[in-house]
Amino acid sequence: GNSVTQMEGPVTLSEEAFLTINCTYTATGYPSLFWYVQYPGEGLQLLLKATKADDKGSNKGFEATYRKETTSFHLEKGSVQVSDSAVYFCALSGGTSYGKLTFGQGTILTVHP
Amino acid sequence: DAGVIQSPRHEVTEMGQEVTLRCKPISGHDYLFWYRQTMMRGLELLIYFNNNVPIDDSGMPEDRFSAKMPNASFSTLKIQPSEPRDSAVYFCASSLGTGLSQYFGPGTRLLVL
Repeated sequence: GNSVTQMEGPVTLSEEAFLTINCTYTATGYPSLFWYVQYPGEGLQLLLKATKADDKGSNKGFEATYRKETTSFHLEKGSVQVSDSAVYFCALSGGTSYGKLTFGQGTILTVHP
Repeated sequence: DAGVIQSPRHEVTEMGQEVTLRCKPISGHDYLFWYRQTMMRGLELLIYFNNNVPIDDSGMPEDRFSAKMPNASFSTLKIQPSEPRDSAVYFCASSLGTGLSQYFGPGTRLLVL
């Protein structure tokens, strides 16, 4: 079946540092890949997505590239802000999980001024 | 669009009581999902519907949990009787089609004493 593995957290950075959160997946076929963000006390929000190999999703300075050869979808941001502090979830749709998302365990990001 | 609407936002109840959580999906969306989030278990998919029909309820923890979707604009998740271990944040999400982005509601924070 489908699975998503995210890097262990929590991640603590200083403002303006470079961010990478690793995500790898296992799925059959050609899944769609997503990053969701959850701010404290709120629901998950879609941050970005990619639907086919080599696609790059981007939003709010965050980027992730769909790498089929390495089955990865790493999240990056060149310069983080305090307001980026949140929990980040990698997810996929498709393969054996018809109609539903398979989520990673989430990575807590804390950015200090 | 108002987004996914959930009610109540907070619920405190005593063990043994019946709890009903409500969700209004985004108009036009044909998939509806119920999730539970806890610190210990992370984000769990409980059940999802397509065109008001339950597709996969394998995540429902036990018979005390039930979910219905009587029409395209309303769904309920009921816990009867509730137990302290049911304390969690319950999210509803909806999407248009498969493999597409899910939109989450703000969640219902349930505390069972």
